[in-house]
Amino acid sequence: GENVEQHPSTLSVQEGDSAVIKCTYSDSASNYFPWYKQELGKRPQLIIDIRSNVGEKKDQRIAVTLNKTAKHFSLHITETQPEDSAVYFCAAPHLGGSQGNLIFGKGTKLSVKP
Amino acid sequence: DVKVTQSSRYLVKRTGEKVFLECVQDMDHENMFWYRQDPGLGLRLIYFSYDVKMKEKGDIPEGYSVSREKKERFSLILESASTNQTSMYLCASSLRTETNYGYTFGSGTRLTVV
Repeated sequence: GENVEQHPSTLSVQEGDSAVIKCTYSDSASNYFPWYKQELGKRPQLIIDIRSNVGEKKDQRIAVTLNKTAKHFSLHITETQPEDSAVYFCAAPHLGGSQGNLIFGKGTKLSVKP
Repeated sequence: DVKVTQSSRYLVKRTGEKVFLECVQDMDHENMFWYRQDPGLGLRLIYFSYDVKMKEKGDIPEGYSVSREKKERFSLILESASTNQTSMYLCASSLRTETNYGYTFGSGTRLTVV
């Protein structure tokens, strides 16, 4: 089945710097890669996702890149702000079994220092 | 917006009690999921359901069972609560399609077993 590895587990940056979080996956058939943001005490929320037919997707200050050959995808946050501080989770579909479901990475705690 | 509602935000139960965690979604999603979230371990899938009365085991089903009698409601049952089941429990739902795995999460139930 699918296995998702996420690095780093913690990341601290100065406000205005960029942050990059990387995930690797094992199933070459995986075709959908979402990123979730979980602020303290709140539910995880989808912030961006990418499908396997594109290599990059941007939404304002966040972007996701996908390297299918190397089986990794990354979240890039530019011009970080204190409100970006949260735990970020990557995920990939578990394509085995009767229905796909998401396998999550262990999360990255991002701290943006003012 | 899709709403996924978990009945309790905080619960304290005694060892050996039978515990019910309820989750209701209002957007006619076929798929529903129960995850537990623990520091350093990320989100781990307990059970999921892709249709009424259907259920499949996730990665850590031991000590849990589920019930899906109606499409909008997915219940997680701890048959005999133990202290190692102290955790944050997150419910999620999604459409049942081949290409869309986007989840919507509930706010979570923090369960403490004493």
